Amino acid sequence: GAGVSQSPSNKVTEKGKDVELRCDPISGHTALYWYRQSLGQGLEFLIYFQGNSAPDKSGLPSDRFSAERTGGSVSTLTIQRTQQEDSAVYLCASSLGSGAQETQYFGPGTRLLVL
Amino acid sequence: GQSLEQPSEVTAVEGAIVQINCTYQTSGFYGLSWYQQHDGGAPTFLSYNALDGLEETGRFSSFLSRSDSYGYLLLQELQMKDSASYFCAVNRDDKIIFGKGTRLHILP
Repeated sequence: GAGVSQSPSNKVTEKGKDVELRCDPISGHTALYWYRQSLGQGLEFLIYFQGNSAPDKSGLPSDRFSAERTGGSVSTLTIQRTQQEDSAVYLCASSLGSGAQETQYFGPGTRLLVL
Repeated sequence: GQSLEQPSEVTAVEGAIVQINCTYQTSGFYGLSWYQQHDGGAPTFLSYNALDGLEETGRFSSFLSRSDSYGYLLLQELQMKDSASYFCAVNRDDKIIFGKGTRLHILP
């Protein structure tokens, strides 16, 4: 596709419910990243995929968070038993490769609000 | 540990020049990137420095000093549309680590 797409763009859920966030990277990009951004804050790294494998899961805040990537393309970030502190914008980015010089291209994000 | 420090806010006047500084402490450093993010938008790539010195792209320039663990983004001929948050980021061989961002306010 022309760029990274994410869905849904907005999600309102009740505390305790599970949510799934989807990311479609740019076609041909092998690396995919998930970040979380709270209001007025920086980008908090969550997880990174190279192909379908996740070499670095160190940023996941708790075991309620998980992510998978299938077919080297689409990725899903799942948050189980959501808490109010999970409210944030979840950003996905992809890059052609995983080298240090690679530019990351960001999607528009999913704005999650947990009531 | 690893850290990036940049000012939380900077204010400048339209048409002027502004410099946003970034200092970092990290292992596995490969280079320094800068990203721009407008309110409600996604971050977009501005520049990447792997070597010491100045990289110029139009009105924007970025500088890196590896020995000082320091870099800056220079914006010239400021326009109102440059009002945004600017993030410095350390590129490691495994991931990019972002700073908390500098909010740039531009006065007419």
